[in-house]
Amino acid sequence: KAGVTQTPRYLIKTRGQQVTLSCSPISGHRSVSWYQQTPGQGLQFLFEYFSETQRNKGNFPGRFSGRQFSNSRSEMNVSTLELGDSALYLCASSLAVGGSSYEQYFGPGTRLTVT
Amino acid sequence: DAKTTQPPSMDCAEGRAANLPCNHSTISGNEYVYWYRQIHSQGPQYIIHGLKNNETNEMASLIITEDRKSSTLILPHATLRDTAVYYCIVRPQGGGSNYKLTFGKGTLLTVNP
Repeated sequence: KAGVTQTPRYLIKTRGQQVTLSCSPISGHRSVSWYQQTPGQGLQFLFEYFSETQRNKGNFPGRFSGRQFSNSRSEMNVSTLELGDSALYLCASSLAVGGSSYEQYFGPGTRLTVT
Repeated sequence: DAKTTQPPSMDCAEGRAANLPCNHSTISGNEYVYWYRQIHSQGPQYIIHGLKNNETNEMASLIITEDRKSSTLILPHATLRDTAVYYCIVRPQGGGSNYKLTFGKGTLLTVNP
């Protein structure tokens, strides 16, 4: 079974621009979560989508947004980029169909550099 | 979510067992212990999780104390490829807003030849 894929893998943008990152979950997985990883703050939760609905959101400004499509693929968008948005953006998918526990499987990430 | 405490770094000789401790003294009765690891510049990798009983899979074993206030991840025969940051995470049972993972700083395990 193919793993979580993220595109692009690397991206360089300029301050003020916007960017869209894409994530394709493992086949059959309906939940997609996004995380930001920086050296200073570590891994931080951005948001989670299930069945095209945002179920949970982390403590990030409104410039960070996302969506999920009917095929469970997800995109996240960052508008008005700032230097501090330079980070590794990770996507994780899971079955998340209920029950007592589940595992999240992460993609390789998109390395965003803002100049 | 309950917080966890892990040593910032540990060393292990190749071929020996690596025992990574985690303290989660404020864990609640319905919270699971999850372990993930992240090899440099890659996405985190799920290793194992448990509630009360000890668990074992092809990657590792998880030992949870009877009072559930701490746990130990055991890599039985560490290899150089096991060098990574290991994260211990406590998370409530699935449902609603509880699907996010809250990562701490983890333990950098260095396996030496």
